[in-house]
Amino acid sequence: GAVVSQHPSRVICKSGTSVKIECRSLDFQATTMFWYRQFPKQSLMLMATSNEGSKATYEQGVEKDKFLINHASLTLSTLTVTSAHPEDSSFYICSAGQTQRFSGNTIYFGEGSWLTVV
Amino acid sequence: ILNVEQSPQSLHVQEGDSTNFTCSFPSSNFYALHWYRWETAKSPEALFVMTLNGDEKKKGRISATLNTKEGYSYLYIKGSQPEDSATYLCAHRGSTLGRLYFGRGTQLTVWP
Repeated sequence: GAVVSQHPSRVICKSGTSVKIECRSLDFQATTMFWYRQFPKQSLMLMATSNEGSKATYEQGVEKDKFLINHASLTLSTLTVTSAHPEDSSFYICSAGQTQRFSGNTIYFGEGSWLTVV
Repeated sequence: ILNVEQSPQSLHVQEGDSTNFTCSFPSSNFYALHWYRWETAKSPEALFVMTLNGDEKKKGRISATLNTKEGYSYLYIKGSQPEDSATYLCAHRGSTLGRLYFGRGTQLTVWP
């Protein structure tokens, strides 16, 4: 099946710094990707929709200036956590489908990234 | 934010037992229901995408049913094996866009 790769799998950064997480579709083009976050014992929560060549669409309550999303190509979306704080420590995971409208198609996930802000 | 509930939260069964768990979701604005199997340190593995009321899908020993009118889906595992141990996630999709709203998952442990 289709593969989505995410990097890094784990990252530790200092409070106040920025960290970038990459999400790549390895064998298909993804015009739209999605970013989720999961806190302990909680469900995966959708943060934003990443659109190739245009601005991301953020879910209610997600700070767009803090979580910068760039989708510069059909195979790569990046999430940058800016001025990270310990409360941003979480599990971040991306997903992508093979067509822009995903009608009936499976949606594939990356492996996820653990972010720890110290 | 959609309220997707999964039960039970965790389940421990013996090898060979059959088991099932539930996903409930809002019946309005329904497009599809996704089931995933998620092992630690791996990507969630897509099991089923279900769209029609009354749908039944099967993949080996795993099957799922869908009732969109009352807003629930069941996942069944027949003759559980230790390798079935994982967290099973369901997610509601309200449109052709790929935005998914997840439940917290059911953590299944199968003892040999």
